[in-house]
Amino acid sequence: EVQMVESGGGLVQPGGSLRLSCAASGFTFSRYAMSWVRQAPGKGLEWVSVISGSGGSTYYADSVKGRFTISRDNSKSMLYLQTNSLRAEDTAVYYCAKDSPAGGKYVELDYWGQGTLITVSS
Amino acid sequence: QTVVTQEPSLTVSPGGTVTLTCASSTGAVTSACYPNWFQQKPGQAPRALIYNTSNKHSWTPARFSGSLLGGKAALTLSGVQPEDEAEYYCLLYCGGDRVFGGGTKLTVL
Repeated sequence: EVQMVESGGGLVQPGGSLRLSCAASGFTFSRYAMSWVRQAPGKGLEWVSVISGSGGSTYYADSVKGRFTISRDNSKSMLYLQTNSLRAEDTAVYYCAKDSPAGGKYVELDYWGQGTLITVSS
Repeated sequence: QTVVTQEPSLTVSPGGTVTLTCASSTGAVTSACYPNWFQQKPGQAPRALIYNTSNKHSWTPARFSGSLLGGKAALTLSGVQPEDEAEYYCLLYCGGDRVFGGGTKLTVL
C-alpha cells in the first residue's frame, strides 16, 4: 500500500524556520519525482516544489523561491522541505505527493499524505 | 505567472450530468499541458481523479471523464451521486511550473 506521512509542522514566528518531513512507503521511492503542495486555511491548492527521483533537479513556485529548499534521501524513502524566512502567508497545510515516474512527461500526483500544518504567527 | 481559472461553483441534480472546465491565461489548454483533476472533500486530503487529460486512476469511478473542450480542459460527471459533492481542482503542467486552478465547489442538490 502506497503511503505518505508528513511531519514537522507547528507554530513558528514570522522569520522563523521549520523542516518538514515526508516518509514514503509502498513504492520504489527513487523512481518517482515528489512534490509539496500547500493549502492555506479555507483556500485552494498551491503547488510549492518538485524534486526529481534522483534529487538532481528541483523546481519551486515563485512564492517560495529562495526561501524553501526541497530535498530527498532515497536510502530512507524520505522527502523534506526546509522552510526559511516564514511569513504569515505561508500558513497552510503542507502535503507531500508522489508526482510522476522518472522520465515521465506528465504529472500524476496520484498519492497524497494527510498533510502537516504550519502556522506562522507572533 | 500562468493563472488557471475554474468555475467557482456549480450545482447539479442527483443523476444529472455536469461539466467543469479549466482555462489557462496563456491561451488554449492542449494535451501538452497534461491536465489533471482532483477531488477534495472537507477535512480530507485531495484525491487524484484524472491525469494526462483523460487517463483515470484505478480508483476513479467510471462516471468521471476528462477531455479537452473548446480550448479548455474539462471534467465531466455523468450520473452524479450525492457523494460527488466536493471541491474539484484542475492542475496544468504546460512545460513550466505546475499550476492549480482555484477550484470548483460542486453542490449536488
